[in-house]
Amino acid sequence: LAKTTQPISMDSYEGQEVNITCSHNNIATNDYITWYQQFPSQGPRFIIQGYKTKVTNEVASLFIPADRKSSTLSLPRVSLSDTAVYYCLVGGYTGGFKTIFGAGTRLFVKA
Amino acid sequence: DTAVSQTPKYLVTQMGNDKSIKCEQNLGHDTMYWYKQDSKKFLKIMFSYNNKELIINETVPNRFSPKSPDKAHLNLHINSLELGDSAVYFCASKGQGSGNEQYFGPGTRLTVT
Repeated sequence: LAKTTQPISMDSYEGQEVNITCSHNNIATNDYITWYQQFPSQGPRFIIQGYKTKVTNEVASLFIPADRKSSTLSLPRVSLSDTAVYYCLVGGYTGGFKTIFGAGTRLFVKA
Repeated sequence: DTAVSQTPKYLVTQMGNDKSIKCEQNLGHDTMYWYKQDSKKFLKIMFSYNNKELIINETVPNRFSPKSPDKAHLNLHINSLELGDSAVYFCASKGQGSGNEQYFGPGTRLTVT
């Protein structure tokens, strides 16, 4: 399984755009790139998933370069409620989707 | 309506006891998971079932036994509880063809004293 590397923490201010980059140099051909958000005392929540190029939904955008060795989660105009831990996962179907969560990125949004 | 539910939310018990945590999903998903999140907040996969069949079994002590009576339920039974089993246990489910898009339950905080 491809290992992921993310910054341990990031700070931002309300209204700013936040970009969190994840490195996954050993990504396999059939691997998806998936991002989750976790608030304290809650289960992780799916944010966005992509395979290549750019994906956008109502919450975030995911940018994936052609070599797929990294990805960037972009959160537009963050608010205080976006303070959470963000996990980048890489994985594909190999008899089951085995998910390995890294340490994640702790995002602090300040007023 | 809750998509993935777990019971109980909190569980406090003594070492050596046997306990179970239940998980149910009403999303019609085929695959369900159990994860353990320890005090350092690392989230580790324990088991995965697909249509009641065990497909992922990580290096977990055999005191932990998952059981899937049907594809909407995945329960976790733990025998002879130890202090190190204290953690938050999350259940999750995933639909077919959805990549790695999982839906997590609210978690069960297990405290072993």
